[in-house]
Amino acid sequence: DGGITQSPKYLFRKEGQNVTLSCEQNLNHDAMYWYRQDPGQGLRLIYYSQIVNDFQKGDIAEGYSVSREKKESFPLTVTSAQKNPTAFYLCASSMFSSNQPQHFGDGTRLSIL
Amino acid sequence: RKEVEQDPGPFNVPEGATVAFNCTYSNSASQSFFWYRQDCRKEPKLLMSVYSSGNEDGRFTAQLNRASQYISLLIRDSKLSDSATYLCVVNGRTGGFKTIFGAGTRLFVKA
Repeated sequence: DGGITQSPKYLFRKEGQNVTLSCEQNLNHDAMYWYRQDPGQGLRLIYYSQIVNDFQKGDIAEGYSVSREKKESFPLTVTSAQKNPTAFYLCASSMFSSNQPQHFGDGTRLSIL
Repeated sequence: RKEVEQDPGPFNVPEGATVAFNCTYSNSASQSFFWYRQDCRKEPKLLMSVYSSGNEDGRFTAQLNRASQYISLLIRDSKLSDSATYLCVVNGRTGGFKTIFGAGTRLFVKA
């Protein structure tokens, strides 16, 4: 089955630690995205990538980093510079066209220990 | 003004009721529109695309009004399982490709 896989489902971070969230898709989608959602809030864009080896900052990129070495993979690193990382992180992908919707993975919940 | 605005609700309706949500957008160059459903602590899932001529999928009807810059979602014969948050999504090209998610409208359907 085609889809988007995020792992792990739950992640705990210690102070000063970097953690990496995985996102893999087998939909052959060009574009991939990372969002953050806080309780009771909407989605906020962290980073997005429209092609391999290229990515753009979203609205809240500070304290995060990404890479896009392969079309199917778009990992997100939450660095120690992100002082309030506790949130629900969602990865999405789409064909690169303004007429195509995004499809989401089932998310990773990150908490601080 | 937010680029995409929705009434946060909550809308509390009895089973079998008809309920409608509106979503306004500010960029007149927006090109495509979608409704997503998000259950508590889950990922958003595509409910339906919104076409200029309006479209229907079972109990759900979506409409687009470009002149007034809003889209709507109508749910007929509400079910308990329709309880969720409904997100309005707008795609456009303003200095590059951009997708904007509304903050969502919460719906509770009661027995």
